Amino acid sequence: EVQLVESGGGLVQPGRSLRLSCTTSGFTFGDYAMSWVRQAPGKGLEWVGFIRSKASRGVIEYAASVEGRFTISRDDSKSIAYLHMDSLKTEDTAVYYCTRENEWQRYYYYMDVWGKGTTVTVSS
Amino acid sequence: DIQMTQSPSSLSASAGDRVTITCRASQSISSYLNWYRQKPGKAPELLIYAASSLQSGVPSRFSGSGSGTDFTLTISSLQPEDFATYFCQQSYSTSWTFGQGTKVEIK
Repeated sequence: EVQLVESGGGLVQPGRSLRLSCTTSGFTFGDYAMSWVRQAPGKGLEWVGFIRSKASRGVIEYAASVEGRFTISRDDSKSIAYLHMDSLKTEDTAVYYCTRENEWQRYYYYMDVWGKGTTVTVSS
Repeated sequence: DIQMTQSPSSLSASAGDRVTITCRASQSISSYLNWYRQKPGKAPELLIYAASSLQSGVPSRFSGSGSGTDFTLTISSLQPEDFATYFCQQSYSTSWTFGQGTKVEIK
């Protein structure tokens, strides 16, 4: 069974850092891009960023709202994706979901597997 | 960034009803459009990718159509588990963007 499990969320003060992990199983992790998506309380979904597979040169892209503060990485040997968040702001408070990105006909990307999410609360 | 606008923002329907949700992109995105369902308190789940391709395991009552800027998600016969919020998402250009969501409520 394909599974994604996020961890590392919690309460953190503004300006501090936090690292989220996405531990995966049930598929060949190195073959897939991984994305992070967040959802502020009572709000919609916001894409945070993705990291492509090594076969796709490990390209990383970020949303403008987190560019320069968040870093996505991956450890293919452990089948884990990471989201390192620096200079956290109150508006970063959200449930953070890890997702697997699948690809169809080479350019159609979609998020076909989602973790249950981990909650990050940024507050003093 | 490409803006995605869904309509309506919410709707009330009964089990067995046919429901249609619309998603409009601020520029042409060809068929790079996905649909997700999010049940209360749960993670989103993929329903449709590439505008009209049904994800494996998703019931056939769900269908998607459209290309360019205008897209539609149709649920042919609403089931109890379909009372949820639906999001469209474009994958034409990074950064990916989502619609604001359409909440389907019980009438």
